[in-house]
Amino acid sequence: QVQLQESGPGLVKPSQTLSLTCSVSRGSISSNGYHWSWIRQLPGKGLEWLGYIYYIGSPYYNSSLESRLMISIDTSRSQLSLTLSSVTAADTAIYFCAGFSLIANHAFDIWGQGTMVTVSS
Amino acid sequence: QSALTQPASVSGSPGQSITISCTGTRDDVGNYNLVSWYQQHPGNAPTLILFEVNKRPSGISNRFSGSKSGNTASLTISGLQADDEADYYCCSYAGSRINVLFGGGTKLTVL
Repeated sequence: QVQLQESGPGLVKPSQTLSLTCSVSRGSISSNGYHWSWIRQLPGKGLEWLGYIYYIGSPYYNSSLESRLMISIDTSRSQLSLTLSSVTAADTAIYFCAGFSLIANHAFDIWGQGTMVTVSS
Repeated sequence: QSALTQPASVSGSPGQSITISCTGTRDDVGNYNLVSWYQQHPGNAPTLILFEVNKRPSGISNRFSGSKSGNTASLTISGLQADDEADYYCCSYAGSRINVLFGGGTKLTVL
């Protein structure tokens, strides 16, 4: 079973750029049909889809964040990355990486444990 | 794009059944049979419990069932158990422009 593990700085200052990495293990990031995704959960709130990327092709983004967000994939390292620029306190959240199967079930059936990011000076 | 609409909370006693609704529009829930549901216990990542409206992944109890009518999908949990107490989220694929929408989540309390 594929496993996902997020990693990141934990604390980011306002106006800076947040960078997160998700490592894919026990499977291939080039798995057929999986769109590798970032999802966040604001404190005490619901889930917000940020975007996803297939191992070949362009990423798709939530339009509300598209101007600040970049998602990329490094197949040689089996890693998914997220960069979010000009962060504010409103970006404080748990960030999850997840696998969305566009072929098998159109659902997020693989999740990382999440990494907490706090935006504060 | 607006989130899908779920009730903020529902409750039920052990053994009872509850239903959580998830309302979207004709562009998302109404247009695709691609609604999924997730269970999230505090401090944990969400877990997929239903996909494509009413299909269960391997290992998920048949106490969880789903349906859809028009722009509204529903999750029913029968024979409520204490461990069902969690947050539940619906999600719909919404085409190649919007892609994915989540509901705001519903907190289930088992009385």
